[in-house]
Amino acid sequence: DVKVTQSSRYLVKRTGEKVFLECVQDMDHENMFWYRQDPGLGLRLIYFSYDVKMKEKGDIPEGYSVSREKKERFSLILESASTNQTSMYLCASNPRGARSYEQYFGPGTRLTVT
Amino acid sequence: DQQVKQNSPSLSVQEGRISILNCDYTNSMFDYFLWYKKYPAEGPTFLISISSIKDKNEDGRFTVFLNKSAKHLSLHIVPSQPGDSAVYFCAASLSWGKFQFGAGTQVVVTP
Repeated sequence: DVKVTQSSRYLVKRTGEKVFLECVQDMDHENMFWYRQDPGLGLRLIYFSYDVKMKEKGDIPEGYSVSREKKERFSLILESASTNQTSMYLCASNPRGARSYEQYFGPGTRLTVT
Repeated sequence: DQQVKQNSPSLSVQEGRISILNCDYTNSMFDYFLWYKKYPAEGPTFLISISSIKDKNEDGRFTVFLNKSAKHLSLHIVPSQPGDSAVYFCAASLSWGKFQFGAGTQVVVTP
């Protein structure tokens, strides 16, 4: 079974703090993704990576950065957390050339910024 | 601007009956469509997909229909079971796996 794990299920941070969300997948997938899920908006892509040290902006990258130093690990960084970044964050991965493009998701991190 | 829309935020259906979930999209260049199912406190899991060159794909109780001229996608679940109670997301891809997701439809299957 593909396993995508996220470092925390729940996080509470203060405005202005630097926040790190970690994601690890164990299936040697080339592609990894970070989404945020908000009510009425569905999942929105923040950043994705198709290889180690490679990254591309998604639809809402402002206020976020990412790091991919190893193939299995993809980190999302909130440089200076703000209250509008309170959300559910989901990490996903899939192999390059996946026939149906299906993505495998982690359980999510519920981040609250106060 | 959302390119993929699920206009029904919720759907209630009796056990054993058909559930029909709808999804509309605006970009005719989307080449692959997927449905995901999400339980509370879990990540979405893949359910079924369809390529833009097809108009129907079936997998057990789940069938996805694609009407390209109407830019409309639907998921049929027959028969509906209590374990189908979840949030369902449709997603559309322009390339290799970068997706646009809809807002989701909460399905509740009642006894």
